[in-house]
Amino acid sequence: NAGVTQTPKFQVLKTGQSMTLQCAQDMNHEYMSWYRQDPGMGLRLIHYSVGAGITDQGEVPNGYNVSRSTTEDFPLRLLSAAPSQTSVYFCASSYSAGTGGHGYTFGSGTRLTVV
Amino acid sequence: GENVEQHPSTLSVQEGDSAVIKCTYSDSASNYFPWYKQELGKRPQLIIDIRSNVGEKKDQRIAVTLNKTAKHFSLHITETQPEDSAVYFCAAIGNFNKFYFGSGTKLNVKP
Repeated sequence: NAGVTQTPKFQVLKTGQSMTLQCAQDMNHEYMSWYRQDPGMGLRLIHYSVGAGITDQGEVPNGYNVSRSTTEDFPLRLLSAAPSQTSVYFCASSYSAGTGGHGYTFGSGTRLTVV
Repeated sequence: GENVEQHPSTLSVQEGDSAVIKCTYSDSASNYFPWYKQELGKRPQLIIDIRSNVGEKKDQRIAVTLNKTAKHFSLHITETQPEDSAVYFCAAIGNFNKFYFGSGTKLNVKP
């Protein structure tokens, strides 16, 4: 049971490049999400998914796309990287959200620098 | 959507003292309130949570209280130790199953 696995751990991109941050969980969690963490700004929700085939936007979705074709995987795509997207990205999953309410399990993070 | 405010942003205490971190939320429909601890360079980890039908929950030196009427909840750490030094985040589940996090409190426990 690996939990939540994120790859890569570090990445440097040039402005305008595209890339995909990978996230996989093996806990059969329904709920998966992506956050970015910037100094002094806490964790901000980018996109989330309540199950396979269902995704929705969070607080800061612009510049990012997601898909959820399987329960296990929830990749985050940057189509045209910008310096403002330099941040630490965390993927997180939960057994369920809503009225049941369960805590997140976070991945180890991806430190992305856009130059 | 939900708005979670967290205070203070930094907190320095002497080893053995207590630490209290407070959060307020705006969405009266929020019903789940977890707390996370993040050590430098590491991922956030759940340390305690509380649901809206409970007013207080305790786990060893850590406790969380919830006041639904006032829409605030607090984290209490007693007998602090240097290993408690970290950034602490509160969160609330708002509408549409979204987790909203506070901006974090950097706790420094001085030996």
